[in-house]
Amino acid sequence: DTAVSQTPKYLVTQMGNDKSIKCEQNLGHDTMYWYKQDSKKFLKIMFSYNNKELIINETVPNRFSPKSPDKAHLNLHINSLELGDSAVYFCASSQVGGRSNTEAFFGQGTRLTVV
Amino acid sequence: DQQVKQNSPSLSVQEGRISILNCDYTNSMFDYFLWYKKYPAEGPTFLISISSIKDKNEDGRFTVFLNKSAKHLSLHIVPSQPGDSAVYFCAATTRTNAGKSTFGDGTTLTVKP
Repeated sequence: DTAVSQTPKYLVTQMGNDKSIKCEQNLGHDTMYWYKQDSKKFLKIMFSYNNKELIINETVPNRFSPKSPDKAHLNLHINSLELGDSAVYFCASSQVGGRSNTEAFFGQGTRLTVV
Repeated sequence: DQQVKQNSPSLSVQEGRISILNCDYTNSMFDYFLWYKKYPAEGPTFLISISSIKDKNEDGRFTVFLNKSAKHLSLHIVPSQPGDSAVYFCAATTRTNAGKSTFGDGTTLTVKP
């Protein structure tokens, strides 16, 4: 049973296209995140959603739009893809509210290549 | 402004010896620190953490040390095993939201048999 799963694992697309990456967690966590790992290997947070509400948007271009249909899902839609969007995108979840406050559990990553 | 730094991009250690991975941070607001381990083509997985009220936390072969005055933490792995070969990320955050972290750029550890 995969705790945090994201699809697709690899995505190759042309500049200007629109694409989506899906993420689901079955851990019952109340908070989900999107992180981006660029070519320099930095992992930087992009978005954080708590109970379907956006709580962090870290100066990400508005071509990136996260959508959370429910607590267990956080999808990432990217419009008008650019070469610089090529990176590995990680979805993660954690429990923030309540008695537990956990570390992040990450998905396996989606390697996006824009050509 | 890189708030969390891992100055050694790589480290090579002989099996059975100690591995020491270092991390420095600049933001005094950070009060919770984590180490994640990452294998190729996988997401990071949590390894060990430490709160700023402690200076040491141990879990089996892994020990994290925190020096708040120096804004420095280190991860010790002893004895090192070949299966420990991975990229190790240091992360810093506030205790109220451990999932939202500022990451260092990782240290690739290679443990040679």
